[in-house]
Amino acid sequence: GAGVSQSPRYKVAKRGQDVALRCDPISGHVSLFWYQQALGQGPEFLTYFQNEAQLDKSGLPSDRFFAERPEGSVSTLKIQRTQQEDSAVYLCASSSRPFRISTDTQYFGPGTRLTVL
Amino acid sequence: AQRVTQPEKLLSVFKGAPVELKCNYSYSGSPELFWYVQYSRQRLQLLLRHISRESIKGFTADLNKGETSFHLKKPFAQEEDSAMYYCALKEETSGSRLTFGEGTQLTVNP
Repeated sequence: GAGVSQSPRYKVAKRGQDVALRCDPISGHVSLFWYQQALGQGPEFLTYFQNEAQLDKSGLPSDRFFAERPEGSVSTLKIQRTQQEDSAVYLCASSSRPFRISTDTQYFGPGTRLTVL
Repeated sequence: AQRVTQPEKLLSVFKGAPVELKCNYSYSGSPELFWYVQYSRQRLQLLLRHISRESIKGFTADLNKGETSFHLKKPFAQEEDSAMYYCALKEETSGSRLTFGEGTQLTVNP
């Protein structure tokens, strides 16, 4: 079956523009995660959803970052007034069960590479 | 706060040689530790986790709580092992996030 998909794969934005990044998790997966990966670094946690509930958003770097998953499937990460330091690969991952409870495997998408000029 | 350290950004070995990718962590509780791998032009994927005590593709990793380490080892490296490897930690209580190290790029030369 299809894995986690993300779109667009590449996004170039001018500083100050708003962007929206989409994640389609594996069908039926309860948990969804967003990570930010700067060049030469490991992924850094941004936020976690269990179905439509955003249970942890402690990793969002500023109030310019907003994520939603209104129907418990597709998720969108929105960045307002983009800054150069937002340039990174944004990774989405999903897992089949609530991650708090189990050590279920996170399946990662290919990522969206955001470049802010 | 929890932290994962991978001291080597680059590691190069010859085919058939043993390889060890180092991972140290700082966390006050009992963590769960993982190794993730990213092959060229592929997405990040789970390699192994400490609670399973499994060997995947010939790789093993033992959690050493005394030394707060979770080093990844393979006795005989293969060219197809060339990839970026990330060590990651999951907190026992909050459990909603993985904390990753900066990664080690392993190159296995013929």
